[in-house]
Amino acid sequence: AQTVTQSQPEMSVQEAETVTLSCTYDTSENNYYLFWYKQPPSRQMILVIRQEAYKQQNATENRFSVNFQKAAKSFSLKISDSQLGDTAMYFCAFMRYTGANSKLTFGKGITLSVRP
Amino acid sequence: NAGVTQTPKFQVLKTGQSMTLQCAQDMNHEYMSWYRQDPGMGLRLIHYSVGAGITDQGEVPNGYNVSRSTTEDFPLRLLSAAPSQTSVYFCASSYGQGGHIYGYTFGSGTRLTVV
Repeated sequence: AQTVTQSQPEMSVQEAETVTLSCTYDTSENNYYLFWYKQPPSRQMILVIRQEAYKQQNATENRFSVNFQKAAKSFSLKISDSQLGDTAMYFCAFMRYTGANSKLTFGKGITLSVRP
Repeated sequence: NAGVTQTPKFQVLKTGQSMTLQCAQDMNHEYMSWYRQDPGMGLRLIHYSVGAGITDQGEVPNGYNVSRSTTEDFPLRLLSAAPSQTSVYFCASSYGQGGHIYGYTFGSGTRLTVV
């Protein structure tokens, strides 16, 4: 079974600065997807970024980028130029690459606060 | 395009009552799942479906039933509500292509309180 660990329960960052959220996972699979989801106070789950394990290039979406270290089973999210709207809970998630059992496994989440 | 629609958004039940949480998607997605979110626990999978007529259990299935008679709908039934089922419930859907599944789209959630 896969496990996803987010060891930092809370983080805080000053507006306009950069912050990195950590995530590690454990799997025996070679091909899989990794995701970061954002959950603002509205409760909506929003996909932030997606990484396919077979791709060596780190995924980037505007101010959000990942540092994917496959051998270390590490998948951190970097938020550049933090904005007040980035205040939210962030979840790291794992999914097998293919097949009927491709379900999302989530970490416990980290609460990020952006200070004005 | 509505995406994934969950109803109701809020619900209070008495212990022992039954109810159905509704989930509908209009994206023709084959994969649908139900999760519950509890403080400090992340999201945990209750049941999932890979297509109409096919369902399977997730990590925390006890006390819940599902069925999938159409591609669009995936209702979650609480058979006899218990206070331990107080949680926020999310429905999600995704599509597959060539055997690979892409990221899930989530509904806005249902906050359920069992008293």
